[in-house]
Amino acid sequence: DARVTQTPRHKVTEMGQEVTMRCQPILGHNTVFWYRQTMMQGLELLAYFRNRAPLDDSGMPKDRFSAEMPDATLATLKIQPSEPRDSAVYFCASGLVPLHLAGVDQETQYFGPGTRLLVL
Amino acid sequence: EDQVTQSPEALRLQEGESSSLNCSYTVSGLRGLFWYRQDPGKGPEFLFTLYSAGEEKEKERLKATLTKKESFLHITAPKPEDSATYLCAVQAETSGSRLTFGEGTQLTVNP
Repeated sequence: DARVTQTPRHKVTEMGQEVTMRCQPILGHNTVFWYRQTMMQGLELLAYFRNRAPLDDSGMPKDRFSAEMPDATLATLKIQPSEPRDSAVYFCASGLVPLHLAGVDQETQYFGPGTRLLVL
Repeated sequence: EDQVTQSPEALRLQEGESSSLNCSYTVSGLRGLFWYRQDPGKGPEFLFTLYSAGEEKEKERLKATLTKKESFLHITAPKPEDSATYLCAVQAETSGSRLTFGEGTQLTVNP
């Protein structure tokens, strides 16, 4: 059963600490997305990668957030330093754009279970 | 700027009572409209993608339809297990793979 996995599932930390969230996309998928969900803002795209290259990070606060894909099976989202307003559920999603449809960007996004972050 | 508005915010139905959820959108060239279901404490689960006005898709008790300005998710004879938040999202032709989500409709189906 192919699924997106995320770790940790829950994280409580203190303001100023570094937080790293990890995502394993579905095997074979070439696009990875990071979303944040809050009651106030709903579900917002932070950044996404295609074939490990960042394509859009316009939704991500650049001063404290960073996203990387060290390899095709791992994506990371790091917050340093963390602040109480970063408290949210962070979702990773993955999708596949076949080579013959490159440029169409019409892939279905499959979401992981999320990391629930609380910054005190 | 792409915008998605879902209504109602919350809907309570009795088991077997059919209804519809609405998703109104404003987008500069629609590439696709997506419906997801989200259960508490879980990630959104993909339901449907609609690409052009007039298109319809069905899955069990759910049917999604699309016009040039809105999409409807029709729920026929719902069961308590259909209780969830239903999210609508649009993808614009000029936005790559970016999805813009609505706030969702929280559906409760009472037995």
